[in-house]
Amino acid sequence: QVQLQESGPGLVKPSETLSLICTVSGASIRSNYWSWIRQTPGKGLEWIGDIYHSGSPNYSPSLQSRVSISADTSKNQFSLKLSSVTAADTAVYYCARAGGFTYGGDAFDFWGQGTLVTVSS
Amino acid sequence: DIQMTQSPSTLSASVGDRVTITCRASQTISNWLAWYQQKPGKAPKLLIYKASTLETGVPSRFSGSGSGTEFTLTISSLQPDDFATYYCQQYNTRVGFGQGTKLEI
Repeated sequence: QVQLQESGPGLVKPSETLSLICTVSGASIRSNYWSWIRQTPGKGLEWIGDIYHSGSPNYSPSLQSRVSISADTSKNQFSLKLSSVTAADTAVYYCARAGGFTYGGDAFDFWGQGTLVTVSS
Repeated sequence: DIQMTQSPSTLSASVGDRVTITCRASQTISNWLAWYQQKPGKAPKLLIYKASTLETGVPSRFSGSGSGTEFTLTISSLQPDDFATYYCQQYNTRVGFGQGTKLEI
């Protein structure tokens, strides 16, 4: 069974960088695209970006200037960095797997449980 | 960006009811649409992809239809476990989600 697990600090200070890691088990990150998605009560679900292990990441235009996604195939992990955070970046952050060819692309068939990140001093 | 608009935002129904949720895209997305169910404190769960294909393990009372800009999710006979929030998601151009429909008793 494919499992994803987010990890990282639950509290980040304003203007600092949010860093999260998604550890994947039961599947190799050498297959499929892998995404970060966040959820807030106000804006709902928001796609942040994705990565394929051998390609360049893709980012949401609204976050592109602040976000970086990378993959570590040796650890079967991918990571998210979001810089210059503000209170508006407070959200539950999910990592997710895109289902791939059968699904036609970015339909997310497996998700992590989510991790709440609060931006506050 | 493609905007996804769901209606209604809240839907009150009873066990056994047939319910339909609508999702409209601001421009055509062919059939690149997925539906998810989310319960409080949990991650979204994929129900349907490519507008009408049922994900493995999802009960057959769930069905999806539509193409282009208008899509529907139908639950043929509501079960107690179905009361949750439902989201549509386009993946024609990057990824975008609808704002959600809360299905309540």
